[in-house]
Amino acid sequence: AQSVTQLGSHVSVSEGALVLLRCNYSSSVPPYLFWYVQYPNQGLQLLLKYTSAATLVKGINGFEAEFKKSETSFHLTKPSAHMSDAAEYFCAVSDDSGGSNYKLTFGKGTLLTVNP
Amino acid sequence: DAGVIQSPRHEVTEMGQEVTLRCKPISGHDYLFWYRQTMMRGLELLIYFNNNVPIDDSGMPEDRFSAKMPNASFSTLKIQPSEPRDSAVYFCASSLAGWGFQPQHFGDGTRLSIL
Repeated sequence: AQSVTQLGSHVSVSEGALVLLRCNYSSSVPPYLFWYVQYPNQGLQLLLKYTSAATLVKGINGFEAEFKKSETSFHLTKPSAHMSDAAEYFCAVSDDSGGSNYKLTFGKGTLLTVNP
Repeated sequence: DAGVIQSPRHEVTEMGQEVTLRCKPISGHDYLFWYRQTMMRGLELLIYFNNNVPIDDSGMPEDRFSAKMPNASFSTLKIQPSEPRDSAVYFCASSLAGWGFQPQHFGDGTRLSIL
């Protein structure tokens, strides 16, 4: 069964600083990987997705993530944090292994705070 | 286009009462998912439907939970009887077919408190 580990339940950065949110996954087959963002009192919104087309994936709001198979990682980055980036971020994985290929497994989430 | 619509947004009720959560997926979407989010367990998939048919309900915690999708534009999640440990935020999500490449679109959730 696949699993997702997000290192750091809380990350704090200064406005304008680099954002790095870590995600490691385990999957028995090549996975599909996703990053979602959740703002307070809202549902999850898709930031970006990896579907094996390219290892560097660009998403909305200036975020991007790099798939590294050798490290089983899919870390999310943004060069310069903005106050509006403050939210909770979730990494998710699925695989295409028969009966479970419609399930997403989510990480526990990383709360990003941006300090002025 | 309208997104996934959930109602009510907040529900407070007493232990033992029946709770019904409602979801209207995005028009044309083939899949509908129900999730539960808690601090302790994170985001858990409870059940999902394809073309109104339940496909996998292995995440439903107990027989007290049931879900239906009578048509393509409506689904319910019921808890009967409710217990304090059911307190959580419940999300509905929908997606197009071709799931591996199609993102799930989430509603804003129902915050459920069982007293």
